[in-house]
Amino acid sequence: DIQMTQSPSSLSASVGDRVTITCRASQSMSTYLNWYQQKPGKAPKLLIYVASSLQSGVPSRFSGSGSGTDFTLTISSLQPEDFATYYCQQSYSSPRTFGQGTKVEIK
Amino acid sequence: QVQLQQSGPGLVKPSQTLSLTCAISGDTVSTNTTTWNWIRQSPSRGLEWLGRTYYRSKWYNDYAVSVKSRVTINPDTSKNHFSLQLNSVTPEDTAMYYCAREYYDGPGRLDYWGQGTLVTVSS
Repeated sequence: DIQMTQSPSSLSASVGDRVTITCRASQSMSTYLNWYQQKPGKAPKLLIYVASSLQSGVPSRFSGSGSGTDFTLTISSLQPEDFATYYCQQSYSSPRTFGQGTKVEIK
Repeated sequence: QVQLQQSGPGLVKPSQTLSLTCAISGDTVSTNTTTWNWIRQSPSRGLEWLGRTYYRSKWYNDYAVSVKSRVTINPDTSKNHFSLQLNSVTPEDTAMYYCAREYYDGPGRLDYWGQGTLVTVSS
């Protein structure tokens, strides 16, 4: 199984800050990497697929990059509605696996 | 617009079978550009993929090793839904359960999710 490791596990940031979350895979997987946002009591929501493609309807302040084993999710200017938990997920092989999550909190 | 509507009991007794259904609207369970997945989430395990069913000229299933001996995911083309059965449950199976569509136009992504069902395993 491919292990996904996110860092940091949590972070505190202010509205307007630039935020970067990292995801590392235990083996190379090209760009088969997706990012999700989850708010309390809700299902995860797809933000980014194939490492850098923005899902329809997702604000352009979200972006993704990376390939191989190292990937990054960036929020260019944090908005109040962005305080949530973010997960990476690999679609390179079965079983699908997720990172442990990064909780973005208000500073 | 694709929608996934989950149904099933929120309380299951230990050693019994957990059964959930995910009704699909806006898509068809037998399309060859999708897979239909069950995922659960708990504080101890995080997001855990359980398995999927999909059609590529015939039906296939794919399960996580951790539940493979206890899990069945079945499509129902007449009702356009798919189901999860997890046998011999224990309190460790207590979690929020989600169904989700994985869409392929290249690599897959989980683009639509059900609303979630909190399942508690307790006597």
